[in-house]
Amino acid sequence: EAGVTQFPSHSVIEKGQTVTLRCDPISGHDNLYWYRRVMGKEIKFLLHFVKESKQDESGMPNNRFLAERTGGTYSTLKVQPAELEDSGVYFCASSRDLLQGTEAFFGQGTRLTVV
Amino acid sequence: AQSVTQLDSQVPVFEEAPVELRCNYSSSVSVYLFWYVQYPNQGLQLLLKYLSGSTLVKGINGFEAEFNKSQTSFHLRKPSVHISDTAEYFCAVSGGATNKLIFGTGTLLAVQP
Repeated sequence: EAGVTQFPSHSVIEKGQTVTLRCDPISGHDNLYWYRRVMGKEIKFLLHFVKESKQDESGMPNNRFLAERTGGTYSTLKVQPAELEDSGVYFCASSRDLLQGTEAFFGQGTRLTVV
Repeated sequence: AQSVTQLDSQVPVFEEAPVELRCNYSSSVSVYLFWYVQYPNQGLQLLLKYLSGSTLVKGINGFEAEFNKSQTSFHLRKPSVHISDTAEYFCAVSGGATNKLIFGTGTLLAVQP
């Protein structure tokens, strides 16, 4: 069974440009999460999808970030326009259900550097 | 609100020595506690979790953790570490309808020969 896959693994863009990150969850996992780790700080929750619906987007920093999950399969996270403080590692995770304690499986992350 | 504190940002230890990575949490509701590990150039991997029942939880690679409700702690231990245990370790708590994880800042375990 393939794990959670994220593309690209690294991205370096200039301030003001647009970047789109992609996450392919484990097949059959309805729940998809995005997290971000800014260097030296904790991994922070951004948002949660159940299939194609956003269940919780309380962690999204501002309206420069747009997440989608069309068809309930893969998800994209677009940053437009990117700012210096958006640099960090963006993790995607998926889980089969919402039973308490269900394991979330993480991808390797996308390291975004905004210069 | 829930929060997790990992006071040690880095823990150096010699190979075959015991190690304890500290984690304290804060929550006003029932908690579910996790330890994740990130090896170099890899994603986060679940080490172990506490949901209920026995307060001593055993995980993969010889790690274990003890849930202590009175001290609001969930420290991770291993009696004898290997070079291959060098990684960053994250303590996390979850709860609520979405099962989102609240992470600590991570502890880098550096095992030296």
